[in-house]
Amino acid sequence: GAGVSQTPSNKVTEKGKYVELRCDPISGHTALYWYRQSLGQGPEFLIYFQGTGAADDSGLPNDRFFAVRPEGSVSTLKIQRTERGDSAVYLCASSPRGGAAYNEQFFGPGTRLTVL
Amino acid sequence: AQSVTQLGSHVSVSEGALVLLRCNYSSSVPPYLFWYVQYPNQGLQLLLKYTSAATLVKGINGFEAEFKKSETSFHLTKPSAHMSDAAEYFCAVRGGNQFYFGTGTSLTVIP
Repeated sequence: GAGVSQTPSNKVTEKGKYVELRCDPISGHTALYWYRQSLGQGPEFLIYFQGTGAADDSGLPNDRFFAVRPEGSVSTLKIQRTERGDSAVYLCASSPRGGAAYNEQFFGPGTRLTVL
Repeated sequence: AQSVTQLGSHVSVSEGALVLLRCNYSSSVPPYLFWYVQYPNQGLQLLLKYTSAATLVKGINGFEAEFKKSETSFHLTKPSAHMSDAAEYFCAVRGGNQFYFGTGTSLTVIP
């Protein structure tokens, strides 16, 4: 079956621009997560959706970052006024249910964002 | 709070040799622990997970990990390394709604 997909795979933008990153989770997965992975680091949590609502956005670094999941499936991560420090790989993951602690998360291939 | 520490950012082994990747965890509650592998330009793939059912967990591709509460460890092993095992490996612990990942260990397999 289809896994988690993310588009675009690469995004190059200029400092100060606005970008949108898209995530298509596995069909039927109610939980969706965004992570950011900087070079040489492990993924760092950004936000978690259960259905349409953001159940936990404690990882968003500042108010330039925002994410939506209006119909409980596809999610878009939005970054305003991009900075060079935003350059990283943005990973999306989904899970059948968010509440079960032992459920693994299924990861997409990521979007590599480069801010010049 | 939950966290994991991976000792050794780079590990090199000869093909056919034992693979040992170290992970120590910190958790205030019984942990749910995971090992993921990441191949170049690909997403993370689950190798195995510990959910308290058994302390020795077997995963895909011949990997296994043993949960040792007394040592707060969850080290990943494979008896005989394959060239195809060369990748980045991440240990993670579930904490609330998120996973906390280690900084990763890059495994090189020498022919």
